[in-house]
Amino acid sequence: AQSVTQLGSHVSVSEGALVLLRCNYSSSVPPYLFWYVQYPNQGLQLLLKYTSAATLVKGINGFEAEFKKSETSFHLTKPSAHMSDAAEYFCAVSEPGSASKIIFGSGTRLSIRP
Amino acid sequence: EAGVTQFPSHSVIEKGQTVTLRCDPISGHDNLYWYRRVMGKEIKFLLHFVKESKQDESGMPNNRFLAERTGGTYSTLKVQPAELEDSGVYFCASSPTQTGLEQYFGPGTRLTVT
Repeated sequence: AQSVTQLGSHVSVSEGALVLLRCNYSSSVPPYLFWYVQYPNQGLQLLLKYTSAATLVKGINGFEAEFKKSETSFHLTKPSAHMSDAAEYFCAVSEPGSASKIIFGSGTRLSIRP
Repeated sequence: EAGVTQFPSHSVIEKGQTVTLRCDPISGHDNLYWYRRVMGKEIKFLLHFVKESKQDESGMPNNRFLAERTGGTYSTLKVQPAELEDSGVYFCASSPTQTGLEQYFGPGTRLTVT
């Protein structure tokens, strides 16, 4: 069965600092992997996705994630945090061919200190 | 282009009452998904419609939940009778494809059962 583990329910970084949000997955087949972001009072927005092409995936707003099969990880990074990055971030996995369900992690709330 | 919309944004009901949540997908999207997040835990898949047909309803928690999508346009999710553990945020997503790679999420309906 597929699952996603996000380490740290709350991460706080200073403005301008590196953002690193950790995600590990479990899947019996090569998965699709996603990072979604939810800003206050808004829906989930797709940041980036991995679909078995390049292992380093670039997304919107300067975020990127690297698929590491040996570590079963898909950590999200951004070199320099901005105040507008404060939100909740969800790592997710789906099984190619499953046609439907996305399995989400429990979310990481990112706070940015001025 | 209008995004996925959900109504109401927030509903407070008493245990034993009935509540109906509505989701309007992006026009032309045949695929519609329901998810929910209970008590700050992970977002969990409920079910997937393709047009008016239920493709996958493996995530529906019990028979107090009834989802419909008459005519293949908007969808409703009825909870009858509501229980305390049903409190949470219910998300709807729509997609033009069945691959699960392009799910667009609505802002969610926050349901509080007292």
